[in-house]
Amino acid sequence: QSVLTQPPSVSAAPGQKVTISCSGSSSNIGNNFVSWYQQFPGTAPKLLIYDNNQRPSGIPDRFSGSKSDTSATLGITGLQTGDEADYYCGTWDSSLTAVVFGTGTKVTVL
Amino acid sequence: QVQLVESGGGVVQPGRSLRLSCAASGFTFSSHGMHWVRQAPGKGLEWVALIRYDASKKWYADSVKGRFIISKDNSKNTLYLQMDSLRAEDTAVYYCAREEGFCSDAGSCYSVYWGQGTPVTVSS
Repeated sequence: QSVLTQPPSVSAAPGQKVTISCSGSSSNIGNNFVSWYQQFPGTAPKLLIYDNNQRPSGIPDRFSGSKSDTSATLGITGLQTGDEADYYCGTWDSSLTAVVFGTGTKVTVL
Repeated sequence: QVQLVESGGGVVQPGRSLRLSCAASGFTFSSHGMHWVRQAPGKGLEWVALIRYDASKKWYADSVKGRFIISKDNSKNTLYLQMDSLRAEDTAVYYCAREEGFCSDAGSCYSVYWGQGTPVTVSS
């Protein structure tokens, strides 16, 4: 059972914006950095955001991350059909001394 | 370029053992910690274990603690996961991933590079 909670699904029309929330606690998101991953079926996860709001090279600025207290948010603007995938947040949990991932969110482009 | 290639997956009976390997290339393996992450069919990502770059420290998910052992051979550029007392709930695709930053020390914990995954099925 994951300690980070995400909505099961979000959807929007092409060109619109979606946000995905990731809710945790002081032992994980509250005191550590958050990362976000995109995963297509049958493939390995791909890093989208690290250290709360940093994009690796090659990730378009349509993807953004933010953090406030014990929650984090991934934003995707200018939604494209190719963005249909599962998205996961992740961080270190200082109490569990473990990496924790969110429950995952499926993005659907209407 | 960085490459991570897992191997060793397969079908195994409950209670038996299996050892996964992850061959690394394209970077200085001895300078990086490494993770194992798994994904059960139709489920989300579940972190399994992390080993420090010099193998001096290891961390495990509660679900595998006492049954799985993570190790790395820096002379062979290879990461391992010894899985004992396997259960049906261990059935998953197992990915190795390179640690960026220092998860336990800096709280900055993410992975840019992942392997393609190796499937493990525990069934009688």
